[in-house]
Amino acid sequence: ETGVTQTPRHLVMGMTNKKSLKCEQHLGHNAMYWYKQSAKKPLELMFVYSLEERVENNSVPSRFSPECPNSSHLFLHLHTLQPEDSALYLCASSPLDIANTGELFFGEGSRLTVL
Amino acid sequence: DQQVKQNSPSLSVQEGRISILNCDYTNSMFDYFLWYKKYPAEGPTFLISISSIKDKNEDGRFTVFLNKSAKHLSLHIVPSQPGDSAVYFCAASSFSGGYNKLIFGAGTRLAVHP
Repeated sequence: ETGVTQTPRHLVMGMTNKKSLKCEQHLGHNAMYWYKQSAKKPLELMFVYSLEERVENNSVPSRFSPECPNSSHLFLHLHTLQPEDSALYLCASSPLDIANTGELFFGEGSRLTVL
Repeated sequence: DQQVKQNSPSLSVQEGRISILNCDYTNSMFDYFLWYKKYPAEGPTFLISISSIKDKNEDGRFTVFLNKSAKHLSLHIVPSQPGDSAVYFCAASSFSGGYNKLIFGAGTRLAVHP
């Protein structure tokens, strides 16, 4: 099994739909992240969960709603999105070891298109 | 205000030559600096990192240099290979509250041609 798995890999939705992105990590990490990558822009941090508690919410609109039911799973619930929300959504995880090298382990991403 | 900047959106290099990718940052409080490589339709994969207390780290064909006084880091790839063609992201990391906060640059697209 790969370390960080994201589903679905591709999602097309209308502006009135409700959908969810799922992330699962098999690395035993205790921190999980959602990043957004838009074309020609830096990866933008959206949310961070550490030990299943949300520790960062980077001014993300409420139409994005994260959920972390346990340390291995992370969801991003989507509702009433806008076309400008179309992007690659990346999940990542990291260990809580303070001696770590700062590395995040990324999934392959979910490509979202909002019509 | 962008804390991590990659000013060159693209770079083209001949196979066998050296590729040099550059990155500038504005905050002196970062713990580590990292380089990630990304192919289309895949997530970023970690390439190499350097602690803020070091000035060089080498791993095979990849070397990262850190110039703290200039707030500048660079990634050297030598010799460059066609399989190195990808987008390279520079990132700066700080560890706080039990997680790594990574701030990324916008990326540099490297093309290595035969």
